[in-house]
Amino acid sequence: EDQVTQSPEALRLQEGESSSLNCSYTVSGLRGLFWYRQDPGKGPEFLFTLYSAGEEKEKERLKATLTKKESFLHITAPKPEDSATYLCAVAASGSARQLTFGSGTQLTVLP
Amino acid sequence: DSGVTQTPKHLITATGQRVTLRCSPRSGDLSVYWYQQSLDQGLQFLIQYYNGEERAKGNILERFSAQQFPDLHSELNLSSLELGDSALYFCASSVAGNNQPQHFGDGTRLSIL
Repeated sequence: EDQVTQSPEALRLQEGESSSLNCSYTVSGLRGLFWYRQDPGKGPEFLFTLYSAGEEKEKERLKATLTKKESFLHITAPKPEDSATYLCAVAASGSARQLTFGSGTQLTVLP
Repeated sequence: DSGVTQTPKHLITATGQRVTLRCSPRSGDLSVYWYQQSLDQGLQFLIQYYNGEERAKGNILERFSAQQFPDLHSELNLSSLELGDSALYFCASSVAGNNQPQHFGDGTRLSIL
């Protein structure tokens, strides 16, 4: 069974204080690992897809990396508008089509 | 704006009732997925349709059903509603292939009284 574990559950940062969110996964053949951002009352917003170990993607203050067992979302010099819940999900090979999501990391950036 | 439209945004009903949630996918996307998000379960996959045909089933109850119409919009039908069905229901769409990103609507919040 595919499993995704995110840590920490919650993270409070001061504006400008860089940090990393972790996503550990167990999957029978990774087709893709996805990062999403979810604001309260909204649907998950797609950020990145990573397909193979060693791959990195960047967008503004966010950088996602992937190894064979985990992914990191690095947040550099965060701003209060980066506050949200960050979700990690995996798509596995085989007949499954759905994403398996982690429970998310709730990030709060204080001004 | 993801391009995925869900209606209604909020739905309040009573136990035992039946409701229909609607989803219009992004232009050009053939796959539609339904997810349930509750506080204690996180995002759980329910069912996927591709170009009108059911492709995959997840943790979907027998009281729930879905379909995708020729114009590619999809409906999720929930019947004999129970208090525990209160949750956010999200629709997502993608182009073909399960390694393509799914784009989510803003959900329907279902409250069962």
